[in-house]
Amino acid sequence: GAVVSQHPSRVICKSGTSVKIECRSLDFQATTMFWYRQFPKKSLMLMATSNEGSKATYEQGVEKDKFLINHASLTLSTLTVTSAHPEDSSFYICSAPRSPEETQYFGPGTRLLVL
Amino acid sequence: AQSVTQPDIHITVSEGASLELRCNYSYGATPYLFWYVQSPGQGLQLLLKYFSGDTLVQGIKGFEAEFKRSQSSFNLRKPSVHWSDAAEYFCAVGINQAGTALIFGKGTTLSVSS
Repeated sequence: GAVVSQHPSRVICKSGTSVKIECRSLDFQATTMFWYRQFPKKSLMLMATSNEGSKATYEQGVEKDKFLINHASLTLSTLTVTSAHPEDSSFYICSAPRSPEETQYFGPGTRLLVL
Repeated sequence: AQSVTQPDIHITVSEGASLELRCNYSYGATPYLFWYVQSPGQGLQLLLKYFSGDTLVQGIKGFEAEFKRSQSSFNLRKPSVHWSDAAEYFCAVGINQAGTALIFGKGTTLSVSS
């Protein structure tokens, strides 16, 4: 089956620093990728849709200047948490469909802890 | 707006007993329906999905789900639960296309007692 990877799997950073999370589709090209955020014992909330070659589409309430998304190629999308604060600590999960008609594949997630 | 409701926050089932996890959705047409399982600290694993056709779908690990249009439900079932089934279960819907972003329910935590 299709595989989506994320790097790093977990990261600890100091408050005020920026953190980049990568999402890669390993064996297929993805013109669209999705970024979700999951708080402890909570559901996944869609943050934004990453579009190759164009700007990301952010969900209401998500700060686009804090969560920078770049879909650099057909196999890579990055989420950069800028000037991270403790409240940004969370589990970030990306996903990508092989095509609009197919089920999307989820990455294993990245756990971010901001001290 | 579209929404997904999982009424049960936490369920405890004895090992070997049957299981049913409830899921209701709010959407005017038939959505694309999914059940995912998440073990602690892990990503999501797809258990099964419904797009169209037979309303009873079989998934991995012995799970099945039944789509009932009249009740806007897509309940997950397993006839005999194993201790390894203890995890978080999420129902999700996709609108318009299978590969679109998903709307997730709040999840149901399944505990299995011996």
